[in-house]
Amino acid sequence: KAGVTQTPRYLIKTRGQQVTLSCSPISGHRSVSWYQQTPGQGLQFLFEYFSETQRNKGNFPGRFSGRQFSNSRSEMNVSTLELGDSALYLCASSWWKGGNTEAFFGQGTRLTVV
Amino acid sequence: GDSVTQMEGPVTLSEEAFLTINCTYTATGYPSLFWYVQYPGEGLQLLLKATKADDKGSNKGFEATYRKETTSFHLEKGSVQVSDSAVYFCALSGASGGGADGLTFGKGTHLIIQP
Repeated sequence: KAGVTQTPRYLIKTRGQQVTLSCSPISGHRSVSWYQQTPGQGLQFLFEYFSETQRNKGNFPGRFSGRQFSNSRSEMNVSTLELGDSALYLCASSWWKGGNTEAFFGQGTRLTVV
Repeated sequence: GDSVTQMEGPVTLSEEAFLTINCTYTATGYPSLFWYVQYPGEGLQLLLKATKADDKGSNKGFEATYRKETTSFHLEKGSVQVSDSAVYFCALSGASGGGADGLTFGKGTHLIIQP
């Protein structure tokens, strides 16, 4: 079956703009989590959605937000972009909530803020 | 809070050498432990996992044992191949129960295998 699909793969935005990233989970998976990967901070948890509800949120400012739709697809939004938001954003899906079920990762969206 | 510490590398080995990548963790409660691998330009793939003390996870010749007494989950492989070149991440979850706060990752270890 198809894996986790993230779109777009690459994105260049200007400081102050906002951006929306999309994630389509594996069919049947109900949990979607988002992570930010940077050379300096490594992989950091942003948030997790399950059945359209945000379950957990990492230590990121309110400029980072997300949502999940009834078909489990998820979007994350970053407003008022800063240079430091440049990163690889990874989405992971799993069939159930929580970290103990296997998470399948997409290839990521590479965001560059200039 | 929870944390994972692993050697960052790069670690360079010759083909058929023995591999050990150290991973130690700090967590309250009883976390599940994972090793993920990331090939260039790709997302992360789960390599193996262990959910309780003394469990051994294994896959594709890689092994790791959950050691609660030393809070460690070291990754080992007896004979590495060039195709094993990648970045390896140690991670934990569920320390507080219920898998809250997602996965906590180490910084990743860049492994380079030379023919």
